[in-house]
Parts: sequence; C-alpha cells; structure tokens
Amino acid sequence: DAEITQSPRHKITETGRQVTLACHQTWNHNNMFWYRQDLGHGLRLIHYSYGVQDTNKGEVSDGYSVSRSNTEDLPLTLESAASSQTSVYFCASSGYRDRTYEQYFGPGTRLTVT
Amino acid sequence: GENVEQHPSTLSVQEGDSAVIKCTYSDSASNYFPWYKQELGKGPQLIIDIRSNVGEKKDQRIAVTLNKTAKHFSLHITETQPEDSAVYFCAVPMDSSYKLIFGSGTRLLVRP
Repeated sequence: DAEITQSPRHKITETGRQVTLACHQTWNHNNMFWYRQDLGHGLRLIHYSYGVQDTNKGEVSDGYSVSRSNTEDLPLTLESAASSQTSVYFCASSGYRDRTYEQYFGPGTRLTVT
Repeated sequence: GENVEQHPSTLSVQEGDSAVIKCTYSDSASNYFPWYKQELGKGPQLIIDIRSNVGEKKDQRIAVTLNKTAKHFSLHITETQPEDSAVYFCAVPMDSSYKLIFGSGTRLLVRP
C-alpha cells in the first residue's frame, strides 16, 4: 500500500545544530508540504513543493529550507536549530489526479531543541 | 489572504449525543472544504470533505454542511462514541491553490 513516512519520529538536538527531517511518500504525488504543529496554533505551513526542483516558502519559513531532487522525498532542514523550533513536524502529500486537494499526512516528528 | 476560524476549541459530549463544530472562512472563491481528524500521536486524517456545488454530504455518522452565502461549514457527528474523541481540524484552500489553511482545531471528548 502507498504511504508517507517520516524519520526520525523523535529527535533531541542542541541549539545551533543543523537538523534534517526526512519525508518519503510512495503515492507518486507531485505536491508535498511541511507543517509544524504547536499548541494554540494548529497546523502552520513551512514549505511546499509542486514537483521536482520546485520549492516554495509557506507562512513560517524562516530558519527552514527544503530541497526536492525526486518525486518521493522532501527533506526539511533546520539550518541552525533554535528553541522556538521545538515542535511536532508533519509532512503531507497530495496528487494531481482526482482528489487533488486531499492531503495525506505522515505520522509526525517530535523535535526538541535544548 | 484566506482566514479560517474554528469553534469551539473544546467540546465535551455524552456518548450517544451529537457534536457540531463550525468553521468560517473569508475567501468567497474557496471551493473545497475538508475535515481532518487527529488522534493522539498521529497525523491528521481526512474524514469527510465537500465541494462548493453541494450543500451537504453524509458518511454514516458524520456529515458536513456548507453555507456559501454565509461562508461557513460545519462538521456534524451523530451518536458519538468514545473513539470519536480526538482533535478535529477544518481546512480551506489557500489563494485557490493546492495549499490548505487549517483552523485552530477542536478537541472533542466523548464521555462514556
């Protein structure tokens, strides 16, 4: 069955370190998204991609970057981790055919920056 | 840009009762209205959605109603069960794109 996976599921890192969170989908979807989820803020869009070599900033992109070298993966990098980036991160994907808007979410990565 | 407001933020109901969660949006061009359910420790999962050409859609115990004139849509859960306890999010397409903007979520507790 097609799925979307994230790794690691839990990560503790120190302030100032570079961190990369992985997202892999086997839906063959063109659209991929990264969100962060914090209490009181719901899901906020960090970056998104509509295809290979395409990346775009979302509403809370400062301090984050993404790259899209193939259809399946959209890794999220925190260039220099800050305590304000402690959060739960979700990756999602959606396709062009049928149900284009429907986003399939991964299980999430809980990141703690100490 | 699009703005989505979701109410209430928490909702506690007795098992068997109905629950209603409402979202209002600002962009009259929006044409897709999904609801997601997030269980503890998991990612959100789509449970029902509606497009702007219909006013209501049902799937067993859940339904979504849409009022385009007033720019709001609601999730209705009937005969609630303990497994309905979760956080529910509404969403609306952002700027008529494939991006979604999410409401702030409603924590539903179904008391046995």
